Amino acid sequence: GENVEQHPSTLSVQEGDSAVIKCTYSDSASNYFPWYKQELGKRPQLIIDIRSNVGEKKDQRIAVTLNKTAKHFSLHITETQPEDSAVYFCAASTLGNFNKFYFGSGTKLNVKP
Amino acid sequence: GAVVSQHPSWVICKSGTSVKIECRSLDFQATTMFWYRQFPKQSLMLMATSNEGSKATYEQGVEKDKFLINHASLTLSTLTVTSAHPEDSSFYICSARDTGDGPGETQYFGPGTRLLVL
Repeated sequence: GENVEQHPSTLSVQEGDSAVIKCTYSDSASNYFPWYKQELGKRPQLIIDIRSNVGEKKDQRIAVTLNKTAKHFSLHITETQPEDSAVYFCAASTLGNFNKFYFGSGTKLNVKP
Repeated sequence: GAVVSQHPSWVICKSGTSVKIECRSLDFQATTMFWYRQFPKQSLMLMATSNEGSKATYEQGVEKDKFLINHASLTLSTLTVTSAHPEDSSFYICSARDTGDGPGETQYFGPGTRLLVL
């Protein structure tokens, strides 16, 4: 099955700095990669996603890049704010196979004011 | 739109009893729902895929007789933890695909159910 690895497990940045979280996946059939943000005690919320037919997607301060050859994708958050503090999960999925998600281990991001 | 609810939000039960958790898609139809288990400060582990009108498919290592899943309608899936033991204590989260809207790749998550087995 799919194996998703995520790094780092914790990340602390100063407000205004950028944060980068990286994930690798093992199954070359995976073609959909969402990122979820989970605040303490709350449900995971989708923040951005990317399909395998594009290499980069951006939404305001958040961007995701995908390297299919190397089987890795990354989340980039620019101009971080304290409200960005949360746990971020990457996931890999093969659309058409019930779209099952396999999640990375999560990154706890702490943005210091 | 795309709201998923779960009930109960938390439950405490005695060892040996069974507990049922409901997952509902409130404003969309979901032929497929997913059940995850999340340990403290850990990732979401996919337990099973719940398909409306058919049997659930379980991930390797998940006991189907232990975690019974029923997806009887397009908006409701239930997870029953049978003969619960303390090691079953965890945070259980469901998600649902909005299969009526586009390719339906997005999963919308419920708020989770915290189970404590004494």
